[in-house]
Amino acid sequence: GNSVTQMEGPVTLSEEAFLTINCTYTATGYPSLFWYVQYPGEGLQLLLKATKADDKGSNKGFEATYRKETTSFHLEKGSVQVSDSAVYFCALNSGGSNYKLTFGKGTLLTVNP
Amino acid sequence: EAGVAQSPRYKIIEKRQSVAFWCNPISGHATLYWYQQILGQGPKLLIQFQNNGVVDDSQLPKDRFSAERLKGVDSTLKIQPAKLEDSAVYLCASSLDALGTQYFGPGTRLLVL
Repeated sequence: GNSVTQMEGPVTLSEEAFLTINCTYTATGYPSLFWYVQYPGEGLQLLLKATKADDKGSNKGFEATYRKETTSFHLEKGSVQVSDSAVYFCALNSGGSNYKLTFGKGTLLTVNP
Repeated sequence: EAGVAQSPRYKIIEKRQSVAFWCNPISGHATLYWYQQILGQGPKLLIQFQNNGVVDDSQLPKDRFSAERLKGVDSTLKIQPAKLEDSAVYLCASSLDALGTQYFGPGTRLLVL
């Protein structure tokens, strides 16, 4: 079946540091890949997505590239801010006619001033 | 545009009691999802509706969980009787159709004592 593996957290960085959160997946077919973010006390928000191999999703300074050869979708940001503190979830859909999302366990990011 | 609304935000019950959660999706969204998010894990899909019909309930514990979306708009998720392991955040999401981006509500945090 489909599965998503994220790097274990928590991750603690200083403001303006470089961020990488690793994500690898196992899936049949050609899934789309997503990063969702959950700020404290809020619901999940779509951060970025990529629908095919070599696509790069980007939003709010975050980027992730769909790497089919390594089955990865690592999240990066060049300079994090305190406001980026949140839980980040990598996810994939099962493709086909149904948009069933499979999530990783999430990675807590804390950015200190 | 109003987002996905959920109520209540928090609920504390004793085991063997029953509880119900309510979700109002974004206007016009045909597809509605209920997820269970246990602490430290990613959300897990419980049930997916397309209008008022069930598309996927393969991971819904049907001996104690039930959900309905009678008029194809609002939805309720019920647990009866609750167990300790049902303590989790219950997330509702909606999308325009089965292939659309999912938008999440703030969730209902359930604690079963």
